[in-house]
Amino acid sequence: GAGVSQSPSNKVTEKGKDVELRCDPISGHTALYWYRQRLGQGLEFLIYFQGNSAPDKSGLPSDRFSAERTGESVSTLTIQRTQQEDSAVYLCASSLTSGGPTDTQYFGPGTRLTVL
Amino acid sequence: AQSVTQLGSHVSVSEGALVLLRCNYSSSVPPYLFWYVQYPNQGLQLLLKYTSAATLVKGINGFEAEFKKSETSFHLTKPSAHMSDAAEYFCAVRTDTGRRALTFGSGTRLQVQP
Repeated sequence: GAGVSQSPSNKVTEKGKDVELRCDPISGHTALYWYRQRLGQGLEFLIYFQGNSAPDKSGLPSDRFSAERTGESVSTLTIQRTQQEDSAVYLCASSLTSGGPTDTQYFGPGTRLTVL
Repeated sequence: AQSVTQLGSHVSVSEGALVLLRCNYSSSVPPYLFWYVQYPNQGLQLLLKYTSAATLVKGINGFEAEFKKSETSFHLTKPSAHMSDAAEYFCAVRTDTGRRALTFGSGTRLQVQP
C-alpha cells in the first residue's frame, strides 16, 4: 500500500539548466495532478492528467514547463532553462476515480527545487 | 472561478486551548471544500471534506469544520489543541464545473505552546 512517491526529494540546479521531476502515483489511480508551492504560499495548480484524455495544462506558467504521463503510471514534469523564480516545492497528487469533485487527492512528499 | 481566503497566516494557541482556523470561499456554484494538513517535510494529508451531505463535517485527529453558506465560510476547529497539531493547514475548494484541480488558500501555520 505505497503512497504517492516523488523523486528526487531535493534538486539543486544552476539557472538555465533543464530539470526533470518524477511522480509515481498510487497504483490504480487514474487522475494525477502537479502543483507548485512557493515559500510561504499555497499550492498552485500546474497540470492535470485523467486516463487517456488530453491533459489540462491551463496552470502551466510558461512554455518552459511541460509534463508527460504514460497511461495511468509515472509522470514526469520537465522545466527547461530554469529560472530562479522556479524555485519551489513541486507536489504531485493522485486520485482513484475519474477526478470527480469530491475525490480525495493523495499527495506525495514533494520535490524541493532550488535554482541558483 | 472559485477562490479561498485563509485569515491569519500564523495562529498560536496554548496546549489544551481551542483551535480555530478561518477559511472563506468564493464560488458562483455550489462548492466542495477541503482541509489539508502539512507536517514539516511531509506531503499534504486530508483532514476532512465537505461534499454537501452534512454541514458539520468531522475529520481525523479530532478536527471538525462547519459549512456556512450564508457566511461563505468553512472554519476548522478542534476543542483542545495538542502539541502534535503544530503544522500548516490549507483550505481548498473545488466545484462540479471547470477545473478538476483544487484551488488552495495560502495556508495557516499553527503553533501550539506548552
